[in-house]
Amino acid sequence: AQSVTQLDSQVPVFEEAPVELRCNYSSSVSVYLFWYVQYPNQGLQLLLKYLSGSTLVKGINGFEAEFNKSQTSFHLRKPSVHISDTAEYFCAVRQTRGGSNYKLTFGKGTLLTVNP
Amino acid sequence: ETGVTQTPRHLVMGMTNKKSLKCEQHLGHNAMYWYKQSAKKPLELMFVYSLEERVENNSVPSRFSPECPNSSHLFLHLHTLQPEDSALYLCASSQWDRGDTEAFFGQGTRLTVV
Repeated sequence: AQSVTQLDSQVPVFEEAPVELRCNYSSSVSVYLFWYVQYPNQGLQLLLKYLSGSTLVKGINGFEAEFNKSQTSFHLRKPSVHISDTAEYFCAVRQTRGGSNYKLTFGKGTLLTVNP
Repeated sequence: ETGVTQTPRHLVMGMTNKKSLKCEQHLGHNAMYWYKQSAKKPLELMFVYSLEERVENNSVPSRFSPECPNSSHLFLHLHTLQPEDSALYLCASSQWDRGDTEAFFGQGTRLTVV
């Protein structure tokens, strides 16, 4: 089984400031890692994913995330945020193989609020 | 149309009503999912279908009844709901046997039970 912990339920920042949203996971098997974004009253949209290879992954809208296997973390970063980045962000994992690899396990989400 | 489409976007129903939520995907995926998203709670996986067969039912009350007539369509039939069932219901699809691919989500149906 896997679990995902998003350490901050809310992160307020000012426009043009850098931001980091933290995600830690626990799994007894190897996993793929995902970050999704949800704008108000919308579904979830994929920001980026880590499958293998380079531990720094770039996604849409200027976001990037770094996979750290020893710390079992996959933190999301953006060097300069915009008002339009205000949304809820979800970290998720999926087993690379095995009977339950169809299932995404989500964290509880982090609400990013960008203030002018 | 592309992606995952859910209808209706908003639904208000009384506790004695019967209604259905519809989900359609145009991505050629072979797995479909229903999630429930309540305020201040994590996403809850309700049902999973692979190749039209239900493979997971996470202790969901029987007042929620899923149906998957083919790999492109998924329904959630609702009857005698409770106010605590008010939530955003999200449909998703993916490739069943490809863990390296992401799930694609619809925009959700905002359900209010009065």
